[in-house]
Order: sequence, then C-alpha cells, then structure tokens
Amino acid sequence: EVQVVESGGGLVQPGGSLRLSCAASGFTLSSNWMHWVRQAPGKGLVWVSRFSSDGRSTNYADSVKGRFTISRDNAKNTLYLQMNSLRAEDTAVYYCARAASGTRNAFDIWGQGTVLTVSS
Amino acid sequence: QSVLTQPPSASGTPGQRVTISCSGSSSNIGSNTVNWYQQLPGTAPKLLIYDNNQRPSGVPDRFSGSKSGASASLAISGLQSEDEADFYCAAWDDSLSSVLFGGGTKVTVL
Repeated sequence: EVQVVESGGGLVQPGGSLRLSCAASGFTLSSNWMHWVRQAPGKGLVWVSRFSSDGRSTNYADSVKGRFTISRDNAKNTLYLQMNSLRAEDTAVYYCARAASGTRNAFDIWGQGTVLTVSS
Repeated sequence: QSVLTQPPSASGTPGQRVTISCSGSSSNIGSNTVNWYQQLPGTAPKLLIYDNNQRPSGVPDRFSGSKSGASASLAISGLQSEDEADFYCAAWDDSLSSVLFGGGTKVTVL
C-alpha cells in the first residue's frame, strides 16, 4: 500500500526546535516531489515547503523561510522538516503529502498528520 | 488572507448542482494548473481534481473542474449527503515560488 506516515509532533516552547519525519512506503520518495502542508486549528490548509524528486530544489513559504529546512534520506525513504525558532503561530497539524507522478504540486497521497503545539 | 479567493460557504439540496469558484491572478491560476481537494471532517485532505479538470482514479464523475483565465471552478452535480466537506483550490504561484491554497469552502447539504 502506498502511504506516508508523519511523526515527531509535540509540545514545544516558543523559540524551540523540533524535527518532523515522514516515512514513505509502497513507493520511493526520490520518484516524486514531496511537500509539507499545515493546518492550524479550525483554519484552512497552508503550504509550507517542497522537495524536488531529483533532490536539487527546495521551496518554502515566506512565513517559514529561514526557520524551517526540508530534507530527505533516500536510504530511509523518509522526508524531514527541521523547524527552528518556533512561534505560537506555527501551531498546527502538519501533513506530509506526495505530488502525483507527472506533477509537482498535485497532492495525491496525504499522511494522517502530526500535531505541533508551540506554547509556554 | 489567502491569495486564492473562494466563497466561505455553499449549499444545496440532494441532487442539486453546486459550483465553487476560485479566483486568483496571472501569477498563479493564470499561468499554472489548478488542483482541488476535499477534506471531510476530522480527516486528511483528498485530491479531487488535478490539472484543472482531471479526476484521479476513484473520484466520481459528479465532480468536475474548469479554468478560465485567472479563475477556476469546481462543480458538484447530483449533490449527496456524503459530499458535506471543506473544499480547497490550490495552484503554484510563479512570483512567490509557493503553492497557494484558497481559504476553503464549506459545502452543506440541506
């Protein structure tokens, strides 16, 4: 079965750091563009970052640029999101999403999400 | 505030046709394809339409998408109770180098 499973969420104090993981199964991460999308409680979807299939390109939303870093471990078939200098407004469910083959930004596989809470 | 503009809500009775609009600009919808997602309460989003009007395998043909200029729309024909959900449009923005989502439209089946 093709799926992605996020982990690593939790409660962090403002200014703290956390790394989210997205383990893929049923497909090879390096074959698809991969993304992180977040959703604050009761709010809409917000795109966070993407990692190209060839590993040469990354992009970030302005709100996280310079604080978040997306990366991939091909051996572990896992995508990561390193989050530093966390703020209260980063509190959200973080989804890992796969872009459908042949596309860069059509998300056909989503994880169940992992919850990040930034609070003192 | 989302750069892609959707109405916050839409509604219809079972069997009716409902249309959701998504308005953008030349840097996003005007020059890139649009994708639509359905999010049922308490669940992860699901890809409904990609590349403006393509349905992934398993998506009923009651759902259709279209694009004209810098605007797009999602139509749901033969509305069913299980269609109650939040719907989001999304597109790449060349100026921001980011994926933009619309604010979402909550569809209610009366």
